Amino acid sequence: NAGVTQTPKFQVLKTGQSMTLQCAQDMNHNSMYWYRQDPGMGLRLIYYSASEGTTDKGEVPNGYNVSRLNKREFSLRLESAAPSQTSVYFCASSNTGFEAFFGQGTRLTVV
Amino acid sequence: GESVGLHLPTLSVQEGDNSIINCAYSNSASDYFIWYKQESGKGPQFIIDIRSNMDKRQGQRVTVLLNKTVKHLSLQIAATQPGDSAVYFCAEILYNFNKFYFGSGTKLNVKP
Repeated sequence: NAGVTQTPKFQVLKTGQSMTLQCAQDMNHNSMYWYRQDPGMGLRLIYYSASEGTTDKGEVPNGYNVSRLNKREFSLRLESAAPSQTSVYFCASSNTGFEAFFGQGTRLTVV
Repeated sequence: GESVGLHLPTLSVQEGDNSIINCAYSNSASDYFIWYKQESGKGPQFIIDIRSNMDKRQGQRVTVLLNKTVKHLSLQIAATQPGDSAVYFCAEILYNFNKFYFGSGTKLNVKP
């Protein structure tokens, strides 16, 4: 049982480049989330999706877009990367009223 | 957004001692609380949870206490072991929104 799988694990981008972070879960969860974690900080919610076909902004959505492709997959896109987006990105999934399961993270550096 | 804060950013304890990690939350309407453990280079992992209609819940070597009057959550780890060294986050969840709000974390150092 893979749980939550994120790709890639590491990425270096130049300022202005675009990329998509992929996330897939095999637990049949309704809700999926994208968080970012800066050094020494907690997790801040970027976007979440309560169910297939719906997405909503979290605390720090600026500079990001998301797509809930199907129940399993929830992608995060950076259209024009900025150094301030250097962070570790975590995808998570859950069912309402239960704990969230996290992926291993994507370490993104924007130079 | 919601605010979940921690009183102690770093906690050092001797192996075998008990550890207490504290958390203050801001929304009295939060329905559900979770403690997560994050080891270096890994994603957060669930430790224990508690619903808002409970005051205490025990797991294996861990106990979570919820004081709704002062909006305070604590995680107690009994007989702390080197493998417990990690950053611990509390999270509060509002069912209506199904959003998880995390605090900044407490780093637990276990000294041998």
